[in-house]
Amino acid sequence: GAGVSQSPSNKVTEKGKDVELRCDPISGHTALYWYRQSLGQGLEFLIYFQGNSAPDKSGLPSDRFSAERTGGSVSTLTIQRTQQEDSAVYLCASLRGDVRYNEQFFGPGTRLTVL
Amino acid sequence: AQSVTQPDIHITVSEGASLELRCNYSYGATPYLFWYVQSPGQGLQLLLKYFSGDTLVQGIKGFEAEFKRSQSSFNLRKPSVHWSDAAEYFCAVGRGGSYIPTFGRGTSLIVHP
Repeated sequence: GAGVSQSPSNKVTEKGKDVELRCDPISGHTALYWYRQSLGQGLEFLIYFQGNSAPDKSGLPSDRFSAERTGGSVSTLTIQRTQQEDSAVYLCASLRGDVRYNEQFFGPGTRLTVL
Repeated sequence: AQSVTQPDIHITVSEGASLELRCNYSYGATPYLFWYVQSPGQGLQLLLKYFSGDTLVQGIKGFEAEFKRSQSSFNLRKPSVHWSDAAEYFCAVGRGGSYIPTFGRGTSLIVHP
């Protein structure tokens, strides 16, 4: 497809379970970002990839959160031992090159609900 | 650390009226500033951005924003609002060497007919 895709679109899980969220960026986009959007909290930066490396992972809220990117394309955000406060919409964005000269394109998000 | 404040959580305007959404930033050097819109059920879309040069920036959908260093502000404006402009608006500042957009909490725009 032409845009950023994320799967699943919705995920309901029980507290303590692990979840994996997937992001397929636009082909050729070297930069990839993960954000979390909680109700009334705006968008919280989680991690940034340039190619397969993550030069900035300062936004990951705890060691239960991790992310990887393979082949300079697909990225997976993993949350271990989920907690109720992890419930949010997780957004992925991709970009060709530098954000100063090009536009971030956002995916539709994955809505995570932890019961 | 760089931060962005959007002081208004909700703004209500009548269709056809002018609009100004406020954004204040905290940054030591020249900031890189963005405005995004999130319509219901849709993803975020970039409206405009400022990196350097002319302090009045034109964007898509008839929006503009003005960078005022003396006031640490980057307010978004539109002369005449349409009902389709009802959405959530986010201001962001580019953080670090990679200018990662770091977002404010957003302003919800409600448009009355």
